[in-house]
Amino acid sequence: DAGITQSPRHKVTETGTPVTLRCHQTENHRYMYWYRQDPGHGLRLIHYSYGVKDTDKGEVSDGYSVSRSKTEDFLLTLESATSSQTSVYFCAIRGSVKETQYFGPGTRLLVL
Amino acid sequence: SQQGEEDPQALSIQEGENATMNCSYKTSINNLQWYRQNSGRGLVHLILIRSNEREKHSGRLRVTLDTSKKSSSLLITASRAADTASYFCATDAGDSWGKLQFGAGTQVVVTP
Repeated sequence: DAGITQSPRHKVTETGTPVTLRCHQTENHRYMYWYRQDPGHGLRLIHYSYGVKDTDKGEVSDGYSVSRSKTEDFLLTLESATSSQTSVYFCAIRGSVKETQYFGPGTRLLVL
Repeated sequence: SQQGEEDPQALSIQEGENATMNCSYKTSINNLQWYRQNSGRGLVHLILIRSNEREKHSGRLRVTLDTSKKSSSLLITASRAADTASYFCATDAGDSWGKLQFGAGTQVVVTP
């Protein structure tokens, strides 16, 4: 357990509404990542952060934005949710020394 | 696009048998990692093998890496019902941000 929490854990929303998912870590890790997991695709990187206010796009960033105003929090925002964004979203962190990632419990998002 | 492709997609074995799954990737890597995901949970790191290593062991896990063939295999010996999970390979290209590319995973079911 690397002290990672995600909120909410489950959310149902309607198409066109904004949604923000939160990832919180307690161990001051520098690197944080947002992935989505869909059947048959494994995990795909949405955005990542390498420090406060330092973020960049991943493989599937269209329709998503992120913010990191504090080391411990990495927010993922769907500006206007679409049904194709129904997925399970995972946050992960990585320390500066070890090359492995530690994952949060995930957020199940359903966009109707 | 996925870096890692895993084979088989699903595997069903009995307790005590060995489980082998394979991962192929496309571009050069710094290391390759294997993760496990229990149903509805986040991924958990199992083992990391570097590009200059050929084989690595951890408990009942044995990982091999063949960089000439761009492939890796994960062997779980003497499987247990608790090994039932999805297993993912992830490649690290060695960039400055620790990004990983995941395969689609192998779903393993171990029956008593």
